[in-house]
Amino acid sequence: EAGVAQSPRYKIIEKRQSVAFWCNPISGHATLYWYQQILGQGPKLLIQFQNNGVVDDSQLPKDRFSAERLKGVDSTLKIQPAKLEDSAVYLCASSPTGTDTQYFGPGTRLTVL
Amino acid sequence: GEDVEQSLFLSVREGDSSVINCTYTDSSSTYLYWYKQEPGAGLQLLTYIFSNMDMKQDQRLTVLLNKKDKHLSLRIADTQTGDSAIYFCAESTRSARQLTFGSGTQLTVLP
Repeated sequence: EAGVAQSPRYKIIEKRQSVAFWCNPISGHATLYWYQQILGQGPKLLIQFQNNGVVDDSQLPKDRFSAERLKGVDSTLKIQPAKLEDSAVYLCASSPTGTDTQYFGPGTRLTVL
Repeated sequence: GEDVEQSLFLSVREGDSSVINCTYTDSSSTYLYWYKQEPGAGLQLLTYIFSNMDMKQDQRLTVLLNKKDKHLSLRIADTQTGDSAIYFCAESTRSARQLTFGSGTQLTVLP
């Protein structure tokens, strides 16, 4: 079974530029999560989708971050405009219906200069 | 509120046992998880325990849960250099199906 796929793996941008990350969850997993992991910290939830609907986006800085999961499969996370403090690893995870167990992708390491 | 705490560093000799500890605050947690993160990689699910269990063993891994003290531990037997990584403890909330992570414990295995 293929795992969670993410791209790109690395991205370097200048502040005020925009960036987008892509995630393809494990086939059949209804729930998809985006996390931000700052160096030296554990992952912090940004947004949770159930199929193509948003379950929780209370921690998403909506003035600059947006996410969508059209058709309930792939998802994109966008930052516009980026700030220096957005430098982090952005992790995508998915879980099957009815469980709490999450499976993570390899992450995208974002560096904002 | 939810809070998960771990010690930051642990260093052991190859072949010894490692014990990584975690405390949590949410008494309604349903599952507690251990994830492993190697440099430049995502989080790999190692094992998990249901909140009504005291212990779970899976090959070299033993998870102990003290629900009264809200204390979780992960014991790795016969620790190898390949076990060097950051280990995260996480708790799930009953209703939200979300995970709250600790800050991670950096395990270093010395030859």
